[in-house]
Amino acid sequence: ELKVEQNPLFLSMQEGKNYTIYCNYSTTSDRLYWYRQDPGKSLESLFVLLSNGAVKQEGRLMASLDTKARLSTLHITAAVHDLSATYFCAVDIDNYGQNFVFGPGTRLSVLP
Amino acid sequence: NAGVTQTPKFRILKIGQSMTLQCTQDMNHNYMYWYRQDPGMGLKLIYYSVGAGITDKGEVPNGYNVSRSTTEDFPLRLELAAPSQTSVYFCATKNRAETSTDTQYFGPGTRLTVL
Repeated sequence: ELKVEQNPLFLSMQEGKNYTIYCNYSTTSDRLYWYRQDPGKSLESLFVLLSNGAVKQEGRLMASLDTKARLSTLHITAAVHDLSATYFCAVDIDNYGQNFVFGPGTRLSVLP
Repeated sequence: NAGVTQTPKFRILKIGQSMTLQCTQDMNHNYMYWYRQDPGMGLKLIYYSVGAGITDKGEVPNGYNVSRSTTEDFPLRLELAAPSQTSVYFCATKNRAETSTDTQYFGPGTRLTVL
């Protein structure tokens, strides 16, 4: 059975600090996506990672993919309060862009 | 462009009732998906479609049915509502091409309660 795990599930951090969220998965896949969800809202796309070694950066967030280790990371640099949200990774389990499994989410709270 | 729209936004059903959740997109995307999100959890794929007339089961299809007669519409049908189907339902679309910008676009969600 395919598993997508995220670590940690809950993260409380102070503004200005750095931290990394990890996404592990148990199948061979070259495609992984990161999404953000604010409370009571829908999901918003952050990053699309389509190959081993892919690295994407947007503002204070940087995502990477290591398909050999079946691991993706979402690194937060100098966190600000506006980054408080739940972050999900999603794995394309057949590499056709058709069938996705989401992780449980990491609930991030950035404190002033 | 409206993107992905879902109706209704909220609905309360009694056990055993039926309903259809509507999803419409104007993005001309081939792929469409239905997910459910239970409180504090990730999303679970119910059904997906790669084009008009083609649908396939996801991880949790039991108790649901779908159809895809047009590119734009992908309704989700609940035949005999059960309390276990209380959840928030999200529809999503995606372009077929696999490029660095081709991600899923989500609708605003339908919050369903079955009592």
